[in-house]
Amino acid sequence: GNSVTQMEGPVTLSEEAFLTINCTYTATGYPSLFWYVQYPGEGLQLLLKATKADDKGSNKGFEATYRKETTSFHLEKGSVQVSDSAVYFCALGVTGANSKLTFGKGITLSVRP
Amino acid sequence: ETGVTQSPTHLIKTRGQQVTLRCSSQSGHNTVSWYQQALGQGPQFIFQYYREEENGRGNFPPRFSGLQFPNYSSELNVNALELDDSALYLCASSSRSGNEQFFGPGTRLTVL
Repeated sequence: GNSVTQMEGPVTLSEEAFLTINCTYTATGYPSLFWYVQYPGEGLQLLLKATKADDKGSNKGFEATYRKETTSFHLEKGSVQVSDSAVYFCALGVTGANSKLTFGKGITLSVRP
Repeated sequence: ETGVTQSPTHLIKTRGQQVTLRCSSQSGHNTVSWYQQALGQGPQFIFQYYREEENGRGNFPPRFSGLQFPNYSSELNVNALELDDSALYLCASSSRSGNEQFFGPGTRLTVL
């Protein structure tokens, strides 16, 4: 079956620090990969996505590259801000009749001023 | 364009009761998926509805059931509530052809 593994958290960084959040996956077929962000008390927002190998998704300074050879989709940002404090979820989905998403456990990021 | 909306925002029930949660899909979307997010965990897929039919189901017992209406809105029903059903229930809508899902704000269910 499909599964997503995220690095253990929480992560605490100072403002302007470099961020890496690791994500690896196991899937049958050819999944699309996603990063979702959840701010306190809110639902999930799509941060970025990649639909095939070697694609790079990017948004709001965040980037992630779909690496089929290492089955990874690590999230990076060069300079984090306090407003980036949230929970980040890596997910995979397989397009088709049942396009359900499989999520990792999520990781909490706290950015200090 | 109206996004995904869910009601109610919060709900408190007691063990053994039944609950109905509601979701209105984003304009132009005909597929609705429901997820359960326990505290500190990632969302878990419950089921998906397309054209008023269940179109895939996760590892949840039959007391979790749903409906989709002709306007593509949806309900999640949970019978015989258990304490472990306490969670944030998320609804997501998508177009049939795409796999990008747009989430609502969720309904926080507490079972006492």
